Amino acid sequence: GDSVTQMEGPVTLSEEAFLTINCTYTATGYPSLFWYVQYPGEGLQLLLKATKADDKGSNKGFEATYRKETTSFHLEKGSVQVSDSAVYFCALSDHNQGGKLIFGQGTELSVKP
Amino acid sequence: DADVTQTPRNRITKTGKRIMLECSQTKGHDRMYWYRQDPGLGLRLIYYSFDVKDINKGEISDGYSVSRQAQAKFSLSLESAIPNQTALYFCATRAGTSVTDTQYFGPGTRLTVL
Repeated sequence: GDSVTQMEGPVTLSEEAFLTINCTYTATGYPSLFWYVQYPGEGLQLLLKATKADDKGSNKGFEATYRKETTSFHLEKGSVQVSDSAVYFCALSDHNQGGKLIFGQGTELSVKP
Repeated sequence: DADVTQTPRNRITKTGKRIMLECSQTKGHDRMYWYRQDPGLGLRLIYYSFDVKDINKGEISDGYSVSRQAQAKFSLSLESAIPNQTALYFCATRAGTSVTDTQYFGPGTRLTVL
């Protein structure tokens, strides 16, 4: 079945460092890909999405490109801030089971001043 | 006010007790979902509903039941709670039928079963 694999955390960076969180997926069809963010004590919020190959999603300085050839959707940000500290989830939308989201295990990011 | 709300936010209960978690939404979405989050496992789907008459099992439905009382309300019940149901539970909604549509999540309910 479809699956998502993320790099393991926690990831600790200094403020203004470059961020990459790797995400790869396995899917039989043509899924949509998402990054969700969970700030401490809160629910998940959509950060960005891409719905077809070569699409780039972007929001709040974060970017991710849907790479069908490498089945990847890596999250990047050029200069992280302390306020970016959160857990980041990569997910794909499955045509089966009502369009459920299939999540990676999450990557915790901690940004130090 | 939040678009997707969950009650209670925290609950501690004992093994064997019946527990109901409630979800309400003001987004007018037809599709609603219940997920469970465990450390290191991401979120997994428990049940989902396309409308008040259409309820479907997800990948980990055993030990859970749901009720869609209205378009805006979707409740999750644990008939006889057990300790391995200790987790963070999220409700989510989605507007349409396309896999490109965004899901909107509630703030979560942290359930502890002793």
